[in-house]
Amino acid sequence: GAGVSQTPSNKVTEKGKYVELRCDPISGHTALYWYRQSLGQGPEFLIYFQGTGAADDSGLPNDRFFAVRPEGSVSTLKIQRTERGDSAVYLCASSSPGTYYEQYFGPGTRLTVT
Amino acid sequence: AQSVAQPEDQVNVAEGNPLTVKCTYSVSGNPYLFWYVQYPNRGLQFLLKYITGDNLVKGSYGFEAEFNKSQTSFHLKKPSALVSDSALYFCAVREVGNQGGKLIFGQGTELSVKP
Repeated sequence: GAGVSQTPSNKVTEKGKYVELRCDPISGHTALYWYRQSLGQGPEFLIYFQGTGAADDSGLPNDRFFAVRPEGSVSTLKIQRTERGDSAVYLCASSSPGTYYEQYFGPGTRLTVT
Repeated sequence: AQSVAQPEDQVNVAEGNPLTVKCTYSVSGNPYLFWYVQYPNRGLQFLLKYITGDNLVKGSYGFEAEFNKSQTSFHLKKPSALVSDSALYFCAVREVGNQGGKLIFGQGTELSVKP
């Protein structure tokens, strides 16, 4: 079946601009996660959705970052007033409660802020 | 606070030799433990997990990992390495009872298998 998909695969933007990153999870997966991976590092948790609600947003670095999942499926990560330090690969994952929260990852969106 | 340590940035192995990629963890309760592999320009792929039961768990592509509670370790192993195993490997932990399910990752170990 189809895996987690993310669009765009690459995004280059200028400092100060607004960006949106999209994640389409595996069909039927109720949980959705966003992580950020900087060069040479492991993924860092940003936010977790269970259904439509953000159950844990403790990893969002500041109020420039926001994410939504209005219908409990597709999610959008939104970054306002981008900074060069936001440059990273943004990973999305989804999971089903029946598999002990085994998370399946998408290919990521590489964000470059110039 | 939960944490994961992968003490080796890089592991070099000759093809056909056994390999070990090390991982230690810290959680306040019992852990769920995971290994993921990342190939260049691709997302993380799940390899195996420890939830409960037998301390030796088997996963994809011939990999296995041993959970050692007293040493708080979860080392990844394979009896005979292949060149195609060369990739970046991440260990991750989630605390049992953490309803959020967020994973804490180590910083990764690059495995290089030479012919």
